[in-house]
Amino acid sequence: QKEVEQDPGPLSVPEGAIVSLNCTYSNSAFQYFMWYRQYSRKGPELLMYTYSSGNKEDGRFTAQVDKSSKYISLFIRDSQPSDSATYLCAMRFSGSARQLTFGSGTQLTVLP
Amino acid sequence: EAQVTQNPRYLITVTGKKLTVTCSQNMNHEYMSWYRQDPGLGLRQIYYSMNVEVTDKGDVPEGYKVSRKEKRNFPLILESPSPNQTSLYFCASRPPGLAGQNQETQYFGPGTRLLVL
Repeated sequence: QKEVEQDPGPLSVPEGAIVSLNCTYSNSAFQYFMWYRQYSRKGPELLMYTYSSGNKEDGRFTAQVDKSSKYISLFIRDSQPSDSATYLCAMRFSGSARQLTFGSGTQLTVLP
Repeated sequence: EAQVTQNPRYLITVTGKKLTVTCSQNMNHEYMSWYRQDPGLGLRQIYYSMNVEVTDKGDVPEGYKVSRKEKRNFPLILESPSPNQTSLYFCASRPPGLAGQNQETQYFGPGTRLLVL
């Protein structure tokens, strides 16, 4: 079983839709949670960062962490064609100098 | 412009022929790492470096070597490439510190697509 599970999609939605992307994880020691966005033929870029449980909002994006369920989500409101990309969840342990454990990514297409 | 550069961007080689993928960052970051990205597996870390002359294995280090002689450069070496090393490789760097939005922001290079025949 992978430490982090993410539905690979692909997911297609019409412009303006609300998008929900999710990851589940098995190790309760994860403390820091991130969402990266990766456009085609590009490297990933950090989109959202959350420490422990709770919500964080940044413009059209909201990240949620439910540590009791070992479940994290990214919501995109009023989705735009420019949001079409692969979204990767990532997480790491507290105090870990190393590493992020990534989900496999969900490919999203927003249709105009 | 702050960036991470990788070369080459595309490489086709044959089994057993040694190759090096270069990585350079101009942000004076201490921390650098290498990942490979494969369909269905996401990004997996190969090696990372906390500073000059300090390197450590990630999750999938077998078949790879790295060196960190200068802060800005972190080359990835495949001494004897095999077809299972065909992948998309990313170099990344991040600012110092253990936590916080800034410290979690890893800056990724554009990727190197490697095909080993």
